[in-house]
Amino acid sequence: GAVVSQHPSRVICKSGTSVKIECRSLDFQATTMFWYRQFPKQSLMLMATSNEGSKATYEQGVEKDKFLINHASLTLSTLTVTSAHPEDSSFYICSAGGDQDRNQPQHFGDGTRLSIL
Amino acid sequence: AQSVTQPDIHITVSEGASLELRCNYSYGATPYLFWYVQSPGQGLQLLLKYFSGDTLVQGIKGFEAEFKRSQSSFNLRKPSVHWSDAAEYFCAVGSGGGADGLTFGKGTHLIIQP
Repeated sequence: GAVVSQHPSRVICKSGTSVKIECRSLDFQATTMFWYRQFPKQSLMLMATSNEGSKATYEQGVEKDKFLINHASLTLSTLTVTSAHPEDSSFYICSAGGDQDRNQPQHFGDGTRLSIL
Repeated sequence: AQSVTQPDIHITVSEGASLELRCNYSYGATPYLFWYVQSPGQGLQLLLKYFSGDTLVQGIKGFEAEFKRSQSSFNLRKPSVHWSDAAEYFCAVGSGGGADGLTFGKGTHLIIQP
């Protein structure tokens, strides 16, 4: 079946560092990918929709200059957390779906645990 | 605006007992409904989905869910739970496929008693 790979699985870094997270669709092409954020013991919140070859669409309240999204190819989207601070610590999960077929569900990556010291 | 409500934050069930996790949704169009399971520190695994057709859908690991349009519900059931079912369960609604992001409920934490 379809697989979405997310890397790294865990990252710990100092405050002020920028961190890049990659999301790859391994066996299908994804015009659209999605980035979610999950706080401890809470639900997933959609942050942004990543569109191949165009700008991402951000949900209300998400700072586009803080969370830079690039979707340069049909199999890769990246999320860069710029100048990260402790409040950016969270679990980030990407997903991709069969956007050519509405009857295909989205598949999720395994997530990235980001810890900012 | 679309929303998903999972009224039970925690549920404790004895191993071998039956399980029902509740999910109610609000969606302006025909909903595509999903149940995902998440183990601690892990990503999401799709248990089952409803897009159209038979309102009782079968999923993996012995789970099933029933779509009831009149009640705006999509409850998840399992006749006999196993200790390995202990996890966080999320109900989600969307417009289908990869066109739009999903809206998730807050999740239900399932605890299995021996």
